[in-house]
Amino acid sequence: DAGITQSPRHKVTETGTPVTLRCHQTENHRYMYWYRQDPGHGLRLIHYSYGVKDTDKGEVSDGYSVSRSKTEDFLLTLESATSSQTSVYFCAISDPTSGGADEQFFGPGTRLTVL
Amino acid sequence: RKEVEQDPGPFNVPEGATVAFNCTYSNSASQSFFWYRQDCRKEPKLLMSVYSSGNEDGRFTAQLNRASQYISLLIRDSKLSDSATYLCVAFYNQGGKLIFGQGTELSVKP
Repeated sequence: DAGITQSPRHKVTETGTPVTLRCHQTENHRYMYWYRQDPGHGLRLIHYSYGVKDTDKGEVSDGYSVSRSKTEDFLLTLESATSSQTSVYFCAISDPTSGGADEQFFGPGTRLTVL
Repeated sequence: RKEVEQDPGPFNVPEGATVAFNCTYSNSASQSFFWYRQDCRKEPKLLMSVYSSGNEDGRFTAQLNRASQYISLLIRDSKLSDSATYLCVAFYNQGGKLIFGQGTELSVKP
């Protein structure tokens, strides 16, 4: 399995509080992604990074910000959590410089509940 | 219309059965395609990549029809351990983005 960890694995928070989720990889992959997964919607891309300090928005970026100061870490921040952000969050990595490597590999996920 | 569409199922099949999942995609610019498997409350895991017309890996066969913008996954001799949700995924070169279907749930019964 690819070396990807996410922390925390579970979190319950209250509406209006800031929340930061961390994704850490040991594969030295260039690309990192944050997705959320909800019933009826499947996996949707929030933000992604194509290098240190290089990030871009995905399909559902409103209410989220990201930062990548090191190759191995990609942080997702909910500045002021809302109940609609209750979801399972997955981090993924990929390395397009590798042969045939459009594939993404996923971390174990973070279950976030916003009350 | 969703960019990648799958029949959500569930597909309930007996052990040993052959089952096929279909997937359509709307953007002809899609570069390549994947099937991921996701077990309940776990992360998606790559099952197969589909770069050309298709490929086979043991009991699993994936086919791609670019003219019809259609991908399929065939599972032969189903095992109980095949029970999972199967995600059809299209890759877009811009930003290395994956677009996921909602998944097809498979339940293999004894």
